[in-house]
Amino acid sequence: QSVLTQPPSVSAAPGQKVTISCSGSSSKIGNNYVSWYQQLPGTAPKLLIYDNNERPSGIPDRFSGSKSGTSATLGITGLQTGDEADYYCGTWDSSLSAYVFGTGTKVTVL
Amino acid sequence: EVQLLESGGGLVQPGGSLRLSCAASGFTFSSYVMNWVRQAPGKGLEWVSAISGSGGSIYYADSVKGRFTISRDNSKNTLYLQMNGLRAEDTAVYYCAKDRVDKFGYWGQGTLVTVSS
Repeated sequence: QSVLTQPPSVSAAPGQKVTISCSGSSSKIGNNYVSWYQQLPGTAPKLLIYDNNERPSGIPDRFSGSKSGTSATLGITGLQTGDEADYYCGTWDSSLSAYVFGTGTKVTVL
Repeated sequence: EVQLLESGGGLVQPGGSLRLSCAASGFTFSSYVMNWVRQAPGKGLEWVSAISGSGGSIYYADSVKGRFTISRDNSKNTLYLQMNGLRAEDTAVYYCAKDRVDKFGYWGQGTLVTVSS
């Protein structure tokens, strides 16, 4: 199944900011909403961002999402040790009538 | 409180079958799209299948099309995944997830399926 491209890893010191990119195509990100998921070690994924930039209740505003063209970005500010996790983007692929996830990005807090 | 509880995982031989269940509570089950998402050991997330609230619309990943069947029983608030012709590459933790085809707002804890001889 086609995937969305993310950097394998990003890192920063506590309190700093990281951004994670998610690159796709017009049939994927270009014409559909993007979601972002956080997966802490040994746990089920959790929804962080949906509809490109919306946060579910309970998700702090340190997490933000944006989309431009065929790419999307997740931003995390005020980085905390508890943010160490794998992060995945995802979107509906109109040409496949299927959902596709990104390759995943591991965030490390230095 | 939304709860999703998967069951039915286990060890199965290649070519075998297994049926997963996801018991839902805390919301109006028939109003939401339900999905199955899997994660092979040490790998990323892979969407498997989705079914609309009424069951009238169903979608599959190419990797499982023709082998897996998603269904739901709204009277029992339960989602199913019938898996036939299992292969080693189907080994994964299988999660059920709720909301839309493009938004997975709530996830279960997952059930492990191991395909091995």
